[in-house]
Amino acid sequence: DGGITQSPKYLFRKEGQNVTLSCEQNLNHDAMYWYRQDPGQGLRLIYYSQIVNDFQKGDIAEGYSVSREKKESFPLTVTSAQKNPTAFYLCASTKDRTDTQYFGPGTRLTVL
Amino acid sequence: QKEVEQNSGPLSVPEGAIASLNCTYSDRGSQSFFWYRQYSGKSPELIMSIYSNGDKEDGRFTAQLNKASQYVSLLIRDSQPSDSATYLCAVNMGSNYQLIWGAGTKLIIKP
Repeated sequence: DGGITQSPKYLFRKEGQNVTLSCEQNLNHDAMYWYRQDPGQGLRLIYYSQIVNDFQKGDIAEGYSVSREKKESFPLTVTSAQKNPTAFYLCASTKDRTDTQYFGPGTRLTVL
Repeated sequence: QKEVEQNSGPLSVPEGAIASLNCTYSDRGSQSFFWYRQYSGKSPELIMSIYSNGDKEDGRFTAQLNKASQYVSLLIRDSQPSDSATYLCAVNMGSNYQLIWGAGTKLIIKP
């Protein structure tokens, strides 16, 4: 089955730690995205990538980093510079800029 | 500033009635419009996409687009309790791959 997988489902971070969230897709989509969602809020774009080895900052990129070494994979690192990282993180992909974005199941990150 | 606006709700609708969700957007040149449904604690899932003026129907759902007035709406006929969720409106406003998202409308269907 084609789709987007995210791992882990739940992640706990201690103060000062970097953590990496995984996102993999087998839909052969060129573009991939990372969003953050806080309770009762909409989606805010962190980073997106249109092609391998290229990515752009979204509205809230500070304290986050990404890589796109393979078409299928777009991991997100939440660094210690992100002061309030507790949120629901969603990965998405799309075939074309006018096409539907499909979402993975999400990772819920909590800072201890 | 590119914006998509939705009434946050909650919108309460009796079971079996029509639920009407609205969304306005700021960029007249917008090309693609999407409605997603999001259950609490889950990721968004696509309900409808619409690209041209007029109505588009899919089962109990109808999306309506009016580019001149810069709004897009979603009608849900014969509303069911399982339709209770937050509905997100998203718009592609330019030549890049970004979608601009509304904050969502929480819909409650009362049995």
